[in-house]
Amino acid sequence: EIVLTQSPATLSLSPGEGATLSCRASQSVSDYLAWYQQIPGQAPRLLIYDASNRATGIPPRFSGSGSGTDFTLTISRLEPEDFAVYYCQQRSTWPATFGPGTKVDIK
Amino acid sequence: EVQLVESGGGLVQPGTSLRLSCTASGFAFEDYGMHWVRQAPGKGLEWVSGISWTSATIAYVDSVKGRFTVSRDNAKNSLYLQMNNLRADDTALYYCAKSDTTVRTLSWFDTWGQGTLVTVSS
Repeated sequence: EIVLTQSPATLSLSPGEGATLSCRASQSVSDYLAWYQQIPGQAPRLLIYDASNRATGIPPRFSGSGSGTDFTLTISRLEPEDFAVYYCQQRSTWPATFGPGTKVDIK
Repeated sequence: EVQLVESGGGLVQPGTSLRLSCTASGFAFEDYGMHWVRQAPGKGLEWVSGISWTSATIAYVDSVKGRFTVSRDNAKNSLYLQMNNLRADDTALYYCAKSDTTVRTLSWFDTWGQGTLVTVSS
């Protein structure tokens, strides 16, 4: 099983600031990595797939990069609705696995 | 509108069974792989099981192998999860999720239901 680790666990920022979230895989997943956003009380929402492609309807302030074992989700300027938990997920091999999440909260 | 609606959750005792259902609408259900993903209270996401559009490919996370069975009925646009010998650590919100492509089963999850809560407790 491929283990994903995310850092930091919590990121405290103010609206308008930029955010950089990291995801590291225990072995190469090529570019088979996605990012999801989960707002409390809601289902997760797909943000980024194949490491760097924005899903339908996702604003351009969200961007993803990386390949192999190291990946980054960048939010260029935080909007109030961006304060949430972000998970990475790999589909390189079964079973699909998620990282433990990074919580972005308001400073 | 693409929509997934789960049902069947509830409070059950350890060792008992429960069957979850997920009804899909707004897309060609028979063409897509489908998955169950769970989230224990206050915890992260855990993929549980996936099934291909023809049911030819089925996979489970190790912790549920031999206890859970995933199935689908394409004529009814429905996905199921039969859960037997439930344990306290199966307590979670169970989401139904759709693969983002018809090409492969193990993929991204582009549509999620709102979840159905399973609580296993004596």
